Amino acid sequence: QSVLTQPPSVSGAPGQRVTISCTRSSSNIGADYDVHWYQQLPGTAPKVIIHGNSHRATGVPDRFSASKSGTSASLTISGLQPEDEADYYCQSYDNGAVFGGGTKVTVL
Amino acid sequence: QLLLQESGPGLVRPSETLSLTCTVSGGSIRPSSYYWGWLRQSPGKGLQWIASVYYRGNTYYNPSLKSRVTITVDTSMNQFSLKIDSVTAADTAVYYCARMWEIRDWFDPWGQGTQVTVSS
Repeated sequence: QSVLTQPPSVSGAPGQRVTISCTRSSSNIGADYDVHWYQQLPGTAPKVIIHGNSHRATGVPDRFSASKSGTSASLTISGLQPEDEADYYCQSYDNGAVFGGGTKVTVL
Repeated sequence: QLLLQESGPGLVRPSETLSLTCTVSGGSIRPSSYYWGWLRQSPGKGLQWIASVYYRGNTYYNPSLKSRVTITVDTSMNQFSLKIDSVTAADTAVYYCARMWEIRDWFDPWGQGTQVTVSS
């Protein structure tokens, strides 16, 4: 069971907005560690797109945004593009780096 | 541009030791304030952090793997390495090396990954 819980999949039509949640389990409920987000395109290594809860990595389009409140974080893609179809992972810290189970974003 | 490249056998027999090396180019492991880590991704599954090392040799391990894992750094070769003892089929995965900005921070950049299969 992951410390971080993500929905297995989300989908949307081009141009729509999709949001991926990342919720920390109660095992370390009092912790306040940063959350980071990765995009993994098929057959490639993950790439950081958001670090420190809400900071876009260099070169990442501004349609990607993220926030964190308490034990939950979310990644939003505004204006979904075909090239955004990928797996997305959240990551935080709990006696070491921990990842969510990943969310597959499908562009309809 | 910092580049990381994993290398090692693609096939390991059950109960043997898996050994991988990550070569860093375009920058030096020492001296730096960065940490260097190994992660893996099993087929169709998510990401798992394995271990991280600081250039001075400080090590950090995933508690679930700690008893079988050793991470080391060789600053003269600009490399860091991973060993996993007593492997089973459950250790079959794509293994990635990556840089961490701080031990609680994110991983960037990543190597391209190397497939390791545990099979007799």
